[in-house]
Amino acid sequence: GQSLEQPSEVTAVEGAIVQINCTYQTSGFYGLSWYQQHDGGAPTFLSYNGLDGLEETGRFSSFLSRSDSYGYLLLQELQMKDSASYFCAVRSYSGYSTLTFGKGTMLLVSP
Amino acid sequence: NAGVTQTPKFQVLKTGQSMTLQCAQDMNHNSMYWYRQDPGMGLRLIYYSASEGTTDKGEVPNGYNVSRLNKREFSLRLESAAPSQTSVYFCASSGASSNQPQHFGDGTRLSIL
Repeated sequence: GQSLEQPSEVTAVEGAIVQINCTYQTSGFYGLSWYQQHDGGAPTFLSYNGLDGLEETGRFSSFLSRSDSYGYLLLQELQMKDSASYFCAVRSYSGYSTLTFGKGTMLLVSP
Repeated sequence: NAGVTQTPKFQVLKTGQSMTLQCAQDMNHNSMYWYRQDPGMGLRLIYYSASEGTTDKGEVPNGYNVSRLNKREFSLRLESAAPSQTSVYFCASSGASSNQPQHFGDGTRLSIL
């Protein structure tokens, strides 16, 4: 089976940089994704890493190390609207490619 | 641009009642999924449909059935609701490639008394 570990909560102030870590155990690994969810609303896709290294999309970056079974999401220039839950998800293959989600990290951004 | 539409948004049931949650997508995606989300938990896959005409069990399929009615629609049925099925249910869709993101609906908040 698959398992993912990420911190339950992270706090930061506006303008700061925060890193949310994710470690995983899985077989047939394809890639690591990150999703954002505000107040129990629809999760929205942020990034995907299929290969080792850093992917940058505006203020958000995501990193993957397949050899360490580890990834992180980096949020820069934090804004109040970034307060949300962030989920890492591994894409694995066992007949068909599906996502397994971590339990999520709640990010609280204060003024 | 509707994306993924779920109905209803809220529902209260009594134990033993049945109901069907509806999901439709307008992005011409092959794959569709049903998840449940409980407090402090991530999204857990109930069932998925890789393409029209196929369905498969996910991590937590017990107590549920699904129907892939056509390429657009994927419904989730609770035949005899139990309090343990109180949850928020999300439907999602994606393209066929492994790196394609999943697009989620706004969820159905279901309470079973």
